[in-house]
Amino acid sequence: AQKVTQAQTEISVVEKEDVTLDCVYETRDTTYYLFWYKQPPSGELVFLIRRNSFDEQNEISGRYSWNFQKSTSSFNFTITASQVVDSAVYFCALSVTPGGFKTIFGAGTRLFVKA
Amino acid sequence: EAGVAQSPRYKIIEKRQSVAFWCNPISGHATLYWYQQILGQGPKLLIQFQNNGVVDDSQLPKDRFSAERLKGVDSTLKIQPAKLEDSAVYLCASSTGTGLDEQFFGPGTRLTVL
Repeated sequence: AQKVTQAQTEISVVEKEDVTLDCVYETRDTTYYLFWYKQPPSGELVFLIRRNSFDEQNEISGRYSWNFQKSTSSFNFTITASQVVDSAVYFCALSVTPGGFKTIFGAGTRLFVKA
Repeated sequence: EAGVAQSPRYKIIEKRQSVAFWCNPISGHATLYWYQQILGQGPKLLIQFQNNGVVDDSQLPKDRFSAERLKGVDSTLKIQPAKLEDSAVYLCASSTGTGLDEQFFGPGTRLTVL
Protein backbone atom coordinates (compact mmCIF):
# COMPACT_ATOMS: atom_id res chain seq x y z
CA ALA A 1 0.00 0.00 0.00
CA GLN A 2 1.10 3.56 -0.60
CA LYS A 3 1.32 6.13 2.15
CA VAL A 4 2.63 9.64 2.75
CA THR A 5 3.51 10.79 6.24
CA GLN A 6 4.04 14.39 7.25
CA ALA A 7 4.80 14.08 10.92
CA GLN A 8 4.89 17.81 11.61
CA THR A 9 1.35 19.06 12.05
CA GLU A 10 2.24 22.70 12.67
CA ILE A 11 5.46 24.67 12.61
CA SER A 12 5.88 28.24 13.76
CA VAL A 13 8.94 30.31 12.87
CA VAL A 14 9.96 33.93 12.91
CA GLU A 15 10.53 35.69 9.61
CA LYS A 16 13.98 35.08 8.07
CA GLU A 17 14.41 31.76 9.81
CA ASP A 18 15.03 28.66 7.72
CA VAL A 19 12.48 25.87 8.04
CA THR A 20 12.37 22.27 6.82
CA LEU A 21 9.16 20.36 6.22
CA ASP A 22 9.51 16.60 6.39
CA CYS A 23 7.89 14.06 4.11
CA VAL A 24 8.26 10.28 4.31
CA TYR A 25 6.59 8.05 1.76
CA GLU A 26 5.91 4.33 1.38
CA THR A 27 5.49 2.44 -1.84
CA ARG A 28 6.65 -0.87 -3.27
CA ASP A 29 6.60 0.50 -6.78
CA THR A 30 9.88 1.35 -8.43
CA THR A 31 8.36 4.05 -10.61
CA TYR A 32 6.61 6.88 -8.83
CA TYR A 33 6.44 10.65 -8.62
CA LEU A 34 6.61 12.92 -5.63
CA PHE A 35 5.07 16.38 -5.37
CA TRP A 36 4.83 19.33 -3.05
CA TYR A 37 1.81 21.61 -3.08
CA LYS A 38 1.11 24.80 -1.15
CA GLN A 39 -2.37 25.67 0.14
CA PRO A 40 -2.52 29.34 1.19
CA PRO A 41 -5.39 30.68 3.26
CA SER A 42 -7.35 31.31 0.06
CA GLY A 43 -7.67 27.54 -0.30
CA GLU A 44 -6.40 26.76 -3.80
CA LEU A 45 -3.59 24.26 -3.88
CA VAL A 46 -0.61 25.44 -5.87
CA PHE A 47 1.97 23.12 -7.39
CA LEU A 48 5.56 23.63 -6.24
CA ILE A 49 7.64 20.72 -7.54
CA ARG A 50 7.54 17.24 -9.06
CA ARG A 51 10.24 14.59 -8.80
CA ASN A 52 10.35 11.13 -10.35
CA SER A 53 11.80 8.12 -8.60
CA PHE A 54 14.79 7.92 -10.91
CA ASP A 55 15.97 11.46 -10.30
CA GLU A 56 17.52 11.95 -6.89
CA GLN A 57 19.11 15.28 -7.68
CA ASN A 58 18.28 17.94 -5.17
CA GLU A 59 16.66 21.06 -6.53
CA ILE A 60 16.76 24.70 -5.61
CA SER A 61 14.30 27.32 -6.77
CA GLY A 62 14.90 30.70 -5.21
CA ARG A 63 14.34 30.34 -1.47
CA TYR A 64 12.93 26.83 -1.88
CA SER A 65 14.95 23.64 -1.98
CA TRP A 66 14.09 19.98 -1.97
CA ASN A 67 16.09 16.99 -0.74
CA PHE A 68 15.06 13.61 -2.18
CA GLN A 69 16.62 10.52 -0.57
CA LYS A 70 15.39 7.14 -1.75
CA SER A 71 17.46 5.37 0.92
CA THR A 72 15.28 6.91 3.63
CA SER A 73 12.12 7.33 1.48
CA SER A 74 12.11 11.01 2.22
CA PHE A 75 11.41 14.12 0.17
CA ASN A 76 11.99 17.09 2.45
CA PHE A 77 11.30 20.72 1.64
CA THR A 78 13.32 23.63 2.98
CA ILE A 79 12.38 27.30 2.88
CA THR A 80 15.36 29.59 3.40
CA ALA A 81 14.84 33.01 4.95
CA SER A 82 11.13 32.47 5.45
CA GLN A 83 8.66 35.27 4.82
CA VAL A 84 5.16 35.95 6.13
CA VAL A 85 3.78 35.10 2.68
CA ASP A 86 5.09 31.57 3.13
CA SER A 87 2.43 30.97 5.77
CA ALA A 88 0.28 28.16 4.39
CA VAL A 89 -0.39 24.46 4.59
CA TYR A 90 2.11 22.41 2.62
CA PHE A 91 1.25 18.98 1.26
CA CYS A 92 3.54 16.25 0.08
CA ALA A 93 2.00 13.83 -2.42
CA LEU A 94 2.89 10.54 -4.08
CA SER A 95 1.69 9.33 -7.49
CA VAL A 96 2.26 5.72 -8.43
CA THR A 97 2.04 4.42 -11.95
CA PRO A 98 0.26 1.07 -11.56
CA GLY A 99 -3.46 1.33 -11.23
CA GLY A 100 -4.01 4.56 -13.08
CA PHE A 101 -1.57 7.02 -11.60
CA LYS A 102 -3.38 7.56 -8.32
CA THR A 103 -2.23 10.49 -6.19
CA ILE A 104 -2.00 10.14 -2.41
CA PHE A 105 -1.59 13.25 -0.28
CA GLY A 106 -0.08 13.54 3.16
CA ALA A 107 -2.00 15.23 5.97
CA GLY A 108 -0.11 18.46 5.48
CA THR A 109 2.07 20.71 7.61
CA ARG A 110 0.73 24.11 8.61
CA LEU A 111 3.49 26.71 8.58
CA PHE A 112 3.12 29.97 10.48
CA VAL A 113 5.70 32.64 9.74
CA LYS A 114 5.57 35.51 12.19
CA ALA A 115 6.84 38.99 11.40
CA GLU B 1 -5.23 31.31 -19.15
CA ALA B 2 -8.36 30.77 -17.09
CA GLY B 3 -8.00 28.46 -14.10
CA VAL B 4 -10.21 25.63 -12.88
CA ALA B 5 -13.67 26.93 -12.09
CA GLN B 6 -15.96 25.46 -9.47
CA SER B 7 -19.42 26.29 -8.27
CA PRO B 8 -20.97 26.85 -5.90
CA ARG B 9 -18.27 28.03 -3.50
CA TYR B 10 -20.34 27.26 -0.43
CA LYS B 11 -23.30 25.01 0.23
CA ILE B 12 -25.24 24.23 3.38
CA ILE B 13 -27.75 21.39 3.35
CA GLU B 14 -29.60 19.16 5.77
CA LYS B 15 -28.63 15.51 6.04
CA ARG B 16 -30.42 13.24 3.60
CA GLN B 17 -30.71 16.06 1.06
CA SER B 18 -29.00 15.98 -2.33
CA VAL B 19 -26.31 18.31 -3.61
CA ALA B 20 -24.36 18.74 -6.83
CA PHE B 21 -21.06 20.43 -7.56
CA TRP B 22 -19.82 21.61 -10.92
CA CYS B 23 -16.30 21.87 -12.28
CA ASN B 24 -14.92 23.37 -15.47
CA PRO B 25 -11.27 22.37 -15.99
CA ILE B 26 -8.59 24.29 -17.80
CA SER B 27 -9.20 24.16 -21.53
CA GLY B 28 -7.41 21.25 -23.16
CA HIS B 29 -6.73 19.34 -19.98
CA ALA B 30 -7.52 15.68 -20.49
CA THR B 31 -7.53 14.59 -16.88
CA LEU B 32 -9.97 15.77 -14.23
CA TYR B 33 -9.94 14.89 -10.54
CA TRP B 34 -12.39 15.26 -7.68
CA TYR B 35 -10.95 15.31 -4.18
CA GLN B 36 -12.57 15.45 -0.76
CA GLN B 37 -10.66 17.44 1.85
CA ILE B 38 -11.92 17.09 5.39
CA LEU B 39 -10.80 19.82 7.80
CA GLY B 40 -7.25 19.25 8.95
CA GLN B 41 -6.55 16.48 6.43
CA GLY B 42 -4.99 16.19 3.02
CA PRO B 43 -7.09 15.85 -0.11
CA LYS B 44 -8.43 12.36 -0.77
CA LEU B 45 -8.99 11.35 -4.38
CA LEU B 46 -12.60 10.42 -5.05
CA ILE B 47 -12.55 9.95 -8.81
CA GLN B 48 -10.22 10.58 -11.72
CA PHE B 49 -11.34 10.96 -15.33
CA GLN B 50 -9.20 10.84 -18.43
CA ASN B 51 -11.25 12.55 -21.11
CA ASN B 52 -14.71 11.16 -20.32
CA GLY B 53 -13.57 7.76 -19.06
CA VAL B 54 -13.06 6.85 -15.40
CA VAL B 55 -9.44 6.00 -14.50
CA ASP B 56 -9.92 5.49 -10.77
CA ASP B 57 -12.97 5.65 -8.52
CA SER B 58 -11.85 3.18 -5.87
CA GLN B 59 -12.44 5.65 -3.04
CA LEU B 60 -15.79 6.99 -4.25
CA PRO B 61 -18.66 5.90 -1.95
CA LYS B 62 -20.76 4.71 -4.82
CA ASP B 63 -23.87 4.13 -2.77
CA ARG B 64 -24.28 7.90 -2.40
CA PHE B 65 -21.73 9.65 -4.62
CA SER B 66 -21.79 9.82 -8.39
CA ALA B 67 -19.80 11.78 -10.93
CA GLU B 68 -19.82 12.29 -14.63
CA ARG B 69 -17.79 14.13 -17.17
CA LEU B 70 -19.83 14.87 -20.23
CA LYS B 71 -17.99 15.24 -23.54
CA GLY B 72 -14.67 15.12 -21.69
CA VAL B 73 -14.93 18.70 -20.47
CA ASP B 74 -17.12 19.82 -17.53
CA SER B 75 -17.86 17.51 -14.65
CA THR B 76 -20.47 17.24 -11.92
CA LEU B 77 -20.19 15.45 -8.60
CA LYS B 78 -23.39 14.54 -6.81
CA ILE B 79 -24.13 13.35 -3.30
CA GLN B 80 -27.48 11.73 -2.64
CA PRO B 81 -28.36 11.46 0.20
CA ALA B 82 -25.83 13.50 2.16
CA LYS B 83 -24.55 12.45 5.57
CA LEU B 84 -23.01 14.55 8.32
CA GLU B 85 -19.58 13.08 7.58
CA ASP B 86 -19.72 14.44 4.03
CA SER B 87 -19.00 17.92 5.39
CA ALA B 88 -15.76 18.86 3.67
CA VAL B 89 -14.25 20.92 0.89
CA TYR B 90 -14.64 19.31 -2.52
CA LEU B 91 -11.76 20.15 -4.78
CA CYS B 92 -11.64 19.79 -8.51
CA ALA B 93 -8.32 19.65 -10.33
CA SER B 94 -7.16 19.11 -13.88
CA SER B 95 -3.95 18.20 -15.64
CA THR B 96 -2.76 17.88 -19.19
CA GLY B 97 -2.17 14.15 -19.08
CA THR B 98 -2.02 11.46 -16.48
CA GLY B 99 -1.87 11.63 -12.69
CA LEU B 100 1.88 12.04 -13.00
CA ASP B 101 1.51 15.61 -14.15
CA GLU B 102 1.22 18.82 -12.21
CA GLN B 103 -2.39 19.30 -11.15
CA PHE B 104 -4.15 22.65 -11.25
CA PHE B 105 -6.74 23.07 -8.53
CA GLY B 106 -9.93 25.07 -8.35
CA PRO B 107 -10.99 27.07 -5.29
CA GLY B 108 -13.16 24.25 -3.97
CA THR B 109 -16.73 23.99 -2.72
CA ARG B 110 -17.19 24.01 1.04
CA LEU B 111 -20.07 21.72 1.96
CA THR B 112 -21.68 21.79 5.38
CA VAL B 113 -24.20 19.07 6.19
CA LEU B 114 -26.41 19.83 9.20
